[in-house]
Amino acid sequence: SQQGEEDPQALSIQEGENATMNCSYKTSINNLQWYRQNSGRGLVHLILIRSNEREKHSGRLRVTLDTSKKSSSLLITASRAADTASYFCATDAAGSGNTGKLIFGQGTTLQVKP
Amino acid sequence: DTAVSQTPKYLVTQMGNDKSIKCEQNLGHDTMYWYKQDSKKFLKIMFSYNNKELIINETVPNRFSPKSPDKAHLNLHINSLELGDSAVYFCASSLRQQGGGELFFGEGSRLTVL
Repeated sequence: SQQGEEDPQALSIQEGENATMNCSYKTSINNLQWYRQNSGRGLVHLILIRSNEREKHSGRLRVTLDTSKKSSSLLITASRAADTASYFCATDAAGSGNTGKLIFGQGTTLQVKP
Repeated sequence: DTAVSQTPKYLVTQMGNDKSIKCEQNLGHDTMYWYKQDSKKFLKIMFSYNNKELIINETVPNRFSPKSPDKAHLNLHINSLELGDSAVYFCASSLRQQGGGELFFGEGSRLTVL
């Protein structure tokens, strides 16, 4: 079954630096979403990008989508210690029968050092 | 008020026991989900219900039985617990089934089977 793969698995940066996480997937999609999970907490939705969009911004977040390469990237600019969390991409596969099923990647663990 | 709440947050039990996890959402959403997150943070969908109707059943052992008494509640009952059932179980909801929209997650229920 389709599964997102994220790269890198872990990332450690200094506060103020930018963090880039990548996600690749296998089949055509309707949309791709990014979620954040703080340690011991539930996932929180960050941003959704549709298959006909190439780039989307939300505050310090920038998401790109390249459907020809079946990949997406999440850029967090001017990172803060509070951005320390795991980040997951999730895809809504085209032709999934409108079940609303999202397939999650394995996540990137980001540590931002103060 | 918590949007998606699940209880209990922690559950420690012996192999062979039966246990239940409850979930409630006060967002007025039509669709609810159960996801399982393993020790490597891999998140896999188990079930989804749309307005009390089962939509997704992802080859989960029949020891797992979801029940949706109304569209605001989705409970998960697990019979004859096994060591491999140890994981964090997340309940989530979305506005509607179609469109692969944003998921709202609960804080998770950590199940430990001894």
